[in-house]
Amino acid sequence: EAGVTQSPTHLIKTRGQQATLRCSPISGHTSVYWYQQALGLGLQFLLWYDEGEERNRGNFPPRFSGRQFPNYSSELNVNALELEDSALYLCASSWNSPLHFGNGTRLTVT
Amino acid sequence: DQQVKQNSPSLSVQEGRISILNCDYTNSMFDYFLWYKKYPAEGPTFLISISSIKDKNEDGRFTVFLNKSAKHLSLHIVPSQPGDSAVYFCAASQMIYNQGGKLIFGQGTELSVKP
Repeated sequence: EAGVTQSPTHLIKTRGQQATLRCSPISGHTSVYWYQQALGLGLQFLLWYDEGEERNRGNFPPRFSGRQFPNYSSELNVNALELEDSALYLCASSWNSPLHFGNGTRLTVT
Repeated sequence: DQQVKQNSPSLSVQEGRISILNCDYTNSMFDYFLWYKKYPAEGPTFLISISSIKDKNEDGRFTVFLNKSAKHLSLHIVPSQPGDSAVYFCAASQMIYNQGGKLIFGQGTELSVKP
């Protein structure tokens, strides 16, 4: 069984640009979660999608947004990038189970 | 507001001995707790969980203890092996109100098991 896959593995952007991160969940999983792990911090909940709908979001500004497609894959968009957005972005999926995480996208904003 | 706290950023243990990782939480509405292990350049992997209706759950070398009155949980690894060296995150969730699997994570404890 293929795990959660994320792309790209690394992304370098400059301040003010937009970043798009992608996630493919485990087959059969309908829920997708996005987490941010900034340097020295734990994982901070960003967004939860289920059946194509945004179900919950964490304490992040509106320039963090995303969507879930009919095949349950998901996209995270970060607009107007700031230096402090540099972090590891982790996607996880589940269906009546603990979260299964991908290996993340390392976003660097310069 | 850090609802889940792991106050020890690092822990070093000798191979074969017991590793005890601790976690405290503040939200009494949390009713499901998990431990994840993370190696560098990989995503966290699920290790073990416990529901608030239990005070202990065991899976091989890993045991999680929950003390609801103290709002404290711990992960015991016996015996510790060098391959256990990783960052360990505790996480908590509130399964009611359609929170689904939204997890609140601690900051992590880096375990180093020395041969």
